[in-house]
Amino acid sequence: GDSVTQMEGPVTLSEEAFLTINCTYTATGYPSLFWYVQYPGEGLQLLLKATKADDKGSNKGFEATYRKETTSFHLEKGSVQVSDSAVYFCALSGRSGNTGKLIFGQGTTLQVKP
Amino acid sequence: DGGITQSPKYLFRKEGQNVTLSCEQNLNHDAMYWYRQDPGQGLRLIYYSQIVNDFQKGDIAEGYSVSREKKESFPLTVTSAQKNPTAFYLCASSTLAGVGEQYFGPGTRLTVT
Repeated sequence: GDSVTQMEGPVTLSEEAFLTINCTYTATGYPSLFWYVQYPGEGLQLLLKATKADDKGSNKGFEATYRKETTSFHLEKGSVQVSDSAVYFCALSGRSGNTGKLIFGQGTTLQVKP
Repeated sequence: DGGITQSPKYLFRKEGQNVTLSCEQNLNHDAMYWYRQDPGQGLRLIYYSQIVNDFQKGDIAEGYSVSREKKESFPLTVTSAQKNPTAFYLCASSTLAGVGEQYFGPGTRLTVT
């Protein structure tokens, strides 16, 4: 079945460092891909999305490119801030055989130190 | 202000008791979802509903029940049959066309002792 794999955390960075959180997926057909963020004690918020190959999603300085050839959707940010500390989830929404649901990765915790 | 409300934020129950978690949305979304989140783990889907009076089991439905009598409301009951009910429960909603773009409530942390 469809699945999403994220890099293990926690990821600990100093403020202004470059961030990459790896995400790869397995899916039949052509899924849409998403990154969600969860701040401590809260629900999830959609951060960015990409619906087809080579699309780049971006929001609040974060970017991710839908790479069909490597089945990846890595999250990047050029300069992280302390306020970016959160748990980040990669997810896919299938277009065949798995419609009606989001498939989430296990989440990656980011800690940014001043 | 449109959004999803979950109440209460924290809930404590004794083992053997059923407990119902509330979820209400005013986004006019057709689809609603319940997830369970455990420390260090991702989200696991419990139940979801795409239309009033209909719902489907997710990956971990055993020990849980839901109802969808109104479009705005999707309460989750954690029954005494759920072997390990202590967890953080998240409710979400979406349009039918935008399943990937889900709006989440703030969650309910349930502790059963």
